[in-house]
Amino acid sequence: QQQVKQSPQSLIVQKGGISIINCAYENTAFDYFPWYQQFPGKGPALLIAIRPDVSEKKEGRFTISFNKSAKQFSLHIMDSQPGDSATYFCAARIQGAQKLVFGQGTRLTINP
Amino acid sequence: ETGVTQSPTHLIKTRGQQVTLRCSSQSGHNTVSWYQQALGQGPQFIFQYYREEENGRGNFPPRFSGLQFPNYSSELNVNALELDDSALYLCASSSGGWRNEQFFGPGTRLTVL
Repeated sequence: QQQVKQSPQSLIVQKGGISIINCAYENTAFDYFPWYQQFPGKGPALLIAIRPDVSEKKEGRFTISFNKSAKQFSLHIMDSQPGDSATYFCAARIQGAQKLVFGQGTRLTINP
Repeated sequence: ETGVTQSPTHLIKTRGQQVTLRCSSQSGHNTVSWYQQALGQGPQFIFQYYREEENGRGNFPPRFSGLQFPNYSSELNVNALELDDSALYLCASSSGGWRNEQFFGPGTRLTVL
């Protein structure tokens, strides 16, 4: 019930294309949904985050779409660049709790 | 502003040994969380420290313990190491307890032989 399921496990997109990564959850007590980007040998870096009272949040080329009724949220990367090649994690936090629950990760490769 | 730092970068231990990992939180942050990231997996929450007190714990056995110092730096101690403890250990700092975004350090890669 505290899981966050992420798909796909890996994704290859051509330069300039749109990368889409999806996450689903069961626990309606989650109140904060961040996305992290992780490069090899580095810790995860916060990319963008959304709260469930908002259906979409955009920051530059990165957009989170949030569907509260379906308990799904997704990350869209527009105009994908080779420098975006990394592993992306969705996460969720239970209201009133301290921990983040992470998805399994998506390894994104942008071909030049 | 200094980010989150962790030491050491890499560590090799043998089964049954004990290990201590260290984390310095970002300037102005009083909360430190520790996560274990196995190869190819997402990070798993171990525990969090807020103003030197444990403030939440994940599903990890008591041989995983921690400490936070008055300057908000933190240690993760693991006793009786097992092969499955091999992972990247991540420290994340934030301000104001659980409410704010967590900023991760580069991690310590622990290998247990």
